[in-house]
Formats: sequence, structure tokens, C-alpha cells
Amino acid sequence: QVQLVQSGGEVKEPGASVKVSCRASGYTFTSYAMHWVRQAPGQGLEWMGWIDTGNGNTKYAKSFQGRVSISRDTSAKSTYMELSGLRSEDTAVYFCAREWEGLDYWGQGTPVTVSS
Amino acid sequence: EIVLTQSPATLSLSPGETATLSCRASQNIYNYLAWYKQKPGQPPRLLIYDASNRATGIPQRFSGSGSGTDFTLTINSLEPEDFAVYYCQQRSNWPSVTFGQGTRLDIK
Repeated sequence: QVQLVQSGGEVKEPGASVKVSCRASGYTFTSYAMHWVRQAPGQGLEWMGWIDTGNGNTKYAKSFQGRVSISRDTSAKSTYMELSGLRSEDTAVYFCAREWEGLDYWGQGTPVTVSS
Repeated sequence: EIVLTQSPATLSLSPGETATLSCRASQNIYNYLAWYKQKPGQPPRLLIYDASNRATGIPQRFSGSGSGTDFTLTINSLEPEDFAVYYCQQRSNWPSVTFGQGTRLDIK
């Protein structure tokens, strides 16, 4: 069965960076692109970016450009989202989501807290 | 950037009633619209893709309609587990996507 398993929660200080992983199983990793979406406490869903897991091409939301980097390791069947220059407003749950007909499978979410 | 506006913000209904949720796009997005349901502490779950296609395992009481700029998610005969937050999402400028702000469906 398809599963996306994300890394555990993180607590970071302002200005630091965080890297969240998403390990896929149950399907051919390079056949499906991956998106990253975040959700601040009590708020809606915010798209961060996308990666073509086959060739590594990426696209980022304008609001995150320059701060976010999405990568993949095909041998590990994993994608990674790194966000730099963290500020308190980046406190959120970060999700990876597989793209097929819609975002059909989601990771469980990784809470990231930014606090001094 | 394409903006999706969902209405109402909150909808209060009783089990067995029919829910009608709206999503309006700021420009033509053809049929490139999906709907998701999210319960507290869980990731979103895909319900509908390409405006009217039910995702795998989604009950028939969920249906989607619309094209262009106006879309509707209808939930017939509400079950207790249907009370959640619902989001629409567009992919007309793929691979970028955007989400609506959500509609909360509450038990009356």
C-alpha cells in the first residue's frame, strides 16, 4: 500500500534552517511528483513547492522563493524540504503529498516550531 | 496568482441533511479543481479531482460539479464523519497549485 512517512517534529530558533524528509513506499517513486504544503495552527493549507521525482525539476511558491529548497534521493525513495531563515510565522505542520489525480496520498505531517 | 474563494466560511447542518459548498476561482481554471476533507490532527484527504471525479474509496454521497470559475461540492445525507473542514484546490497553472481558505462543516 502507498505510504508517505515523514520525519519527526522539530523545534528551531529564529534564523535557523529545518529539513523535513518524506519517505515513500508501495509505488514506483520516480513515477509521481511530490508537493509540499504547510498549515499554520488553526489556518488553511499553503502550497510551498513541487518536485518532479524523475528528473529533479522543482517549482516554488513565490512567497517562499529564496528560502525553500526541495530535493529528492531516488535511492532512498525520499523527498526533502528545507526551509531557511526561519521566523515565528513558519511555525506550522509541514506535509508532503503525492501528485496523481489530485494530491492523492499525504504524509502524516511534521510539526515545526520556531521559538527562541 | 489564481485566488480561490470558498463559501460559506462555516456551514451548520444536521446529520441526514445535504451540504452544498462553493468554490469560486478568480479566473478560468477549466475543470482543474479538487476537493479535500480534513479532520483535526489529520492530513487532508482527496475527495474529488478534475471537478467531478470521485477519488478511490470516496462514497457516492460526495459529488462535485462546475467548470470555469464556479464549482460546487455536494454531500448528500450527511453522516457524522462528514463534519470537518473542506478545501478546494486548483492546478490550472500546474505545477503551481493554490488552495481555498476552507469551509468548516459543523454539526447543528
